[in-house]
Amino acid sequence: EPEVTQTPSHQVTQMGQEVILRCVPISNHLYFYWYRQILGQKVEFLVSFYNNEISEKSEIFDDQFSVERPDGSNFTLKIRSTKLEDSAMYFCASSGTGGLTGELFFGEGSRLTVL
Amino acid sequence: GQNIDQPTEMTATEGAIVQINCTYQTSGFNGLFWYQQHAGEAPTFLSYNVLDGLEEKGRFSSFLSRSKGYSYLLLKELQMKDSASYLCAVRDSGGYQKVTFGIGTKLQVIP
Repeated sequence: EPEVTQTPSHQVTQMGQEVILRCVPISNHLYFYWYRQILGQKVEFLVSFYNNEISEKSEIFDDQFSVERPDGSNFTLKIRSTKLEDSAMYFCASSGTGGLTGELFFGEGSRLTVL
Repeated sequence: GQNIDQPTEMTATEGAIVQINCTYQTSGFNGLFWYQQHAGEAPTFLSYNVLDGLEEKGRFSSFLSRSKGYSYLLLKELQMKDSASYLCAVRDSGGYQKVTFGIGTKLQVIP
């Protein structure tokens, strides 16, 4: 069964450093998303991406964040100058144009720890 | 914006039935999802409602009333493995736009 894959599964970084989280969405999907979940809190929307551009972003997704689809398969989230409060699980998701529901398929997540 | 409310915790007995409620206030609506999330894992899709009524899928059913901004997830014949968080989520109008999640209801199934 097709799945969304994310790397790394866990990354530890120093405050102020830049991190790149990578995602390979399901191959025939066209809509891509990043969500984050701070420990014990809800899954929060960061950004949606379609047709090689951001379709919507939340207030969390400020200039510190950027997304890119550098090739036909990868979808990346870059966090510049990380802060302690960026520590969270970051989930990539994708959805397709077919199917009855357009549900989001989530990757296993990348746990980011900022020290 | 979206405001989604659901109970934070519930406890139920193995073999029983449990109903998890969700209410929402939204500026636009294009469907409601229920996801299951085990601790430390990704959310997995359970059900989708866009029209009023009941959708049944095995031991899980989900109901939607758009006029009341209300949904519930019904889990029958509870098993220990059903212990997880159940996330109610609403999709904005306008196609494949963002899905906003509630805080989730942590369900504990006890013997």
